[in-house]
Amino acid sequence: TQLLEQSPQFLSIQEGENLTVYCNSSSVFSSLQWYRQEPGEGPVLLVTVVTGGEVKKLKRLTFQFGDARKDSSLHITAAQPGDTGLYLCARWGYSTLTFGKGTMLLVSP
Amino acid sequence: ETGVTQSPTHLIKTRGQQVTLRCSSQSGHNTVSWYQQALGQGPQFIFQYYREEENGRGNFPPRFSGLQFPNYSSELNVNALELDDSALYLCASSRGSGRANYEQYFGPGTRLTVT
Repeated sequence: TQLLEQSPQFLSIQEGENLTVYCNSSSVFSSLQWYRQEPGEGPVLLVTVVTGGEVKKLKRLTFQFGDARKDSSLHITAAQPGDTGLYLCARWGYSTLTFGKGTMLLVSP
Repeated sequence: ETGVTQSPTHLIKTRGQQVTLRCSSQSGHNTVSWYQQALGQGPQFIFQYYREEENGRGNFPPRFSGLQFPNYSSELNVNALELDDSALYLCASSRGSGRANYEQYFGPGTRLTVT
């Protein structure tokens, strides 16, 4: 099993702060996905990154795929309470999607 | 377009019992995957069904079984429930086989508690 390590496990910040969460593995990914899961809901896909060094932006969220395709980061600028949730990274294998344990983000007003 | 729906929302069962969870896939999707998400963990892949056939299985014992119907809806059955089976069970649907890394759309899950 090719594990995905996510850090930090938990992050509590104030509205307006910036933050970065990480997803790492010892193995190379063909692609990596980031999801957000809100309480009582299933995960929702935010982005898929494929190319080493790729940077994608989704409003205040910036996703980066490492050059060696073994790591990825998610940076949130000026966090808002609506950003609260569990952020999961995931990689595809043969018909399976393997998730990390996630980073639980709490943004307080 | 109707999203992925799951039933029931919550369920409480006793150790040793059997349970059936249901999932209706999003319109136009022919693949359904099931995941188990324990508290504080990421989802773990149980199995996937593509055109009514099992198309991949994670590290779960045979007492976890499934079905996919001609309308692409799906069931997850768990026999001889154990306390560790308490979790959120997520269903996800997609268009095409999982091998092609199609985007999966998740339902809200069924919260199963085994006492």
